[in-house]
Amino acid sequence: GAVVSQHPSRVICKSGTSVKIECRSLDFQATTMFWYRQFPKKSLMLMATSNEGSKATYEQGVEKDKFLINHASLTLSTLTVTSAHPEDSSFYICSASTGGDYEQYFGPGTRLTVT
Amino acid sequence: GENVEQHPSTLSVQEGDSAVIKCTYSDSASNYFPWYKQELGKGPQLIIDIRSNVGEKKDQRIAVTLNKTAKHFSLHITETQPEDSAVYFCAASRDSGYALNFGKGTSLLVTP
Repeated sequence: GAVVSQHPSRVICKSGTSVKIECRSLDFQATTMFWYRQFPKKSLMLMATSNEGSKATYEQGVEKDKFLINHASLTLSTLTVTSAHPEDSSFYICSASTGGDYEQYFGPGTRLTVT
Repeated sequence: GENVEQHPSTLSVQEGDSAVIKCTYSDSASNYFPWYKQELGKGPQLIIDIRSNVGEKKDQRIAVTLNKTAKHFSLHITETQPEDSAVYFCAASRDSGYALNFGKGTSLLVTP
């Protein structure tokens, strides 16, 4: 149980285009989902927290107009990187929490490369 | 905000030896402390966690200890195996629904 999937696992896009990454909780309802970004050999940096049906809360320094987060249902959250640039290339990881306990379940990550 | 420090950044041990990774945190309101193992190109995988109402927890070869007074917690891996090689992250959180604050990670290498 407690499986989180991400799609796609890898994506390459051209500079200026937008990319959508999906995060799904497969066997539980996630009241809260988190989006992290990870650079090579670095730790996970929280980008935003999203609760189902409400606007995401972004961390300081994260542009909400560039990284659009939608948490439309209890099993799906999406992150859209708009007008992507090479510096947006990174490993994006989501996690989901049921809210009933402390545990966060992480997805396998999405490797974004912007050329 | 919460600040989680993790040491060492790299650790090399021989197969069969023990490995210890230590973390400190700054927010006294934190009460959930998980440890994650991350293999290359994959998402973090929860290996063990501890809540503030206990001081130690063990699961086979893995154990975690927590000292709330000193605000530090540690991961202990005994009888290490080459497949334990990975990056390990500690984290701290206040409550369910709160984001995790991660340490910078420890790259563990277990040599046969």
